[in-house]
Amino acid sequence: KAGVTQTPRYLIKTRGQQVTLSCSPISGHRSVSWYQQTPGQGLQFLFEYFSETQRNKGNFPGRFSGRQFSNSRSEMNVSTLELGDSALYLCASSTGGSGNTIYFGEGSWLTVV
Amino acid sequence: SQKIEQNSEALNIQEGKTATLTCNYTNYSPAYLQWYRQDPGRGPVFLLLIRENEKEKRKERLKVTFDTTLKQSLFHITASQPADSATYLCALDLKQAAGNKLTFGGGTRVLVKP
Repeated sequence: KAGVTQTPRYLIKTRGQQVTLSCSPISGHRSVSWYQQTPGQGLQFLFEYFSETQRNKGNFPGRFSGRQFSNSRSEMNVSTLELGDSALYLCASSTGGSGNTIYFGEGSWLTVV
Repeated sequence: SQKIEQNSEALNIQEGKTATLTCNYTNYSPAYLQWYRQDPGRGPVFLLLIRENEKEKRKERLKVTFDTTLKQSLFHITASQPADSATYLCALDLKQAAGNKLTFGGGTRVLVKP
C-alpha cells in the first residue's frame, strides 16, 4: 500500500508570491490534515478535510487555505507569502474517525526568500 | 493557557538502557494521547496511541503510560538501540465532535550511544 505522497518535496518562493502544495492520501483514507512545522513553533495544525469538507481548522490566517477533491487528494495554498511561512508542510491521512492512526507524508519544504 | 510540554533537552542514553520521556499538559482534556517518532527531514511516524481510560500500552520495546490526574504521559524505550535515536513527539487528540486535530508537544531528541 503506497503511503502519503506530497509534492513538491522542496521549493523556493519569493515574498508576496503564492504556493500550492499537493497531497495524495493513502488509498481508502478520506481524512487529510495539514500541519506546519518550524523550529520555533513546532508542529502546528492547519486544517483537516473529510469528504471534501473542511472539518477542523487551526489558528492560521486566511492566507492559508485548502481543499479536497472527490478522490480525497488535497491541496493547500498559501497566498502573499511571508518570510515566516518558511517551514516543512506535512500532510497526514487517516480513515477519519477520532483515535484512528494518522499517517504522515514526508513533507514539502518551503523556503520563502 | 493550554500547554503541552516535553523535555526540550536531548536525552543521551547508553545502548541497552531504558529511555524515559515525559509529556505534561495543562488545560486540556484529551480523549487520546499519541506518540510519534520523527527522523531529521522526515515526517512523523506513528508509534502508539493510548486512550484516556487506559493506564498503560505496550508495543514491542515501547511502553506508554497515561495519568489523566497528573496530566502526564511517560514513554519508555527499553533495551534502547542506536537505531532508536530520533525525536519523539507526543500529541493530544482532544475531545471534539469529529475528526483529527492533533496538538503536538515540542518533542524530545533521543541519542542512543553504542
